[in-house]
Amino acid sequence: RKEVEQDPGPFNVPEGATVAFNCTYSNSASQSFFWYRQDCRKEPKLLMSVYSSGNEDGRFTAQLNRASQYISLLIRDSKLSDSATYLCAVIRSNQAGTALIFGKGTTLSVSS
Amino acid sequence: GAVVSQHPSRVICKSGTSVKIECRSLDFQATTMFWYRQFPKKSLMLMATSNEGSKATYEQGVEKDKFLINHASLTLSTLTVTSAHPEDSSFYICSARIGTEAFFGQGTRLTVV
Repeated sequence: RKEVEQDPGPFNVPEGATVAFNCTYSNSASQSFFWYRQDCRKEPKLLMSVYSSGNEDGRFTAQLNRASQYISLLIRDSKLSDSATYLCAVIRSNQAGTALIFGKGTTLSVSS
Repeated sequence: GAVVSQHPSRVICKSGTSVKIECRSLDFQATTMFWYRQFPKKSLMLMATSNEGSKATYEQGVEKDKFLINHASLTLSTLTVTSAHPEDSSFYICSARIGTEAFFGQGTRLTVV
């Protein structure tokens, strides 16, 4: 089983739509979770960290479900500028140290 | 905020040659840096963890003799793709963390012809 799994999409939605992405992780001991945004041929940019209690930043809401080992990202009132690939990421800790492991990414296309 | 600088941003090389990619932390010291590779429409795959002053730790399936990593100072890690082949063409990106926050270089698009 992959460490982090995402539905690659693409998700094609009209402006103003609400869209949700899910991501599952395999290691129940994982503690830190993130959502990144990546535009074509660019480095990923941190969108938001994901906290146990859930957190919101404007139109974006992230939630963590430890029991089911998944994290979610909800985007409300989608804008054209939201079109990008959204990557979930989990910090893996093992004998070699800690490293940020990414899911495959979910592609969002918002159209007018 | 912290900045990670990666160079070059784009490189085209002939098959069989070697290419060196540099990753620098500009305003902080990074004892650990990370190298990722991303094929088109694929995930960012962790290749290796670069440790200052010691050997890099490679992920399963990544050839350490092909992807040489050197982390000789607290602000510089290099990745050398040796004897590059067309299948090595990819987007290579480095990262350094402060606590749990990761900072990424701009990435290097390698094309091997």
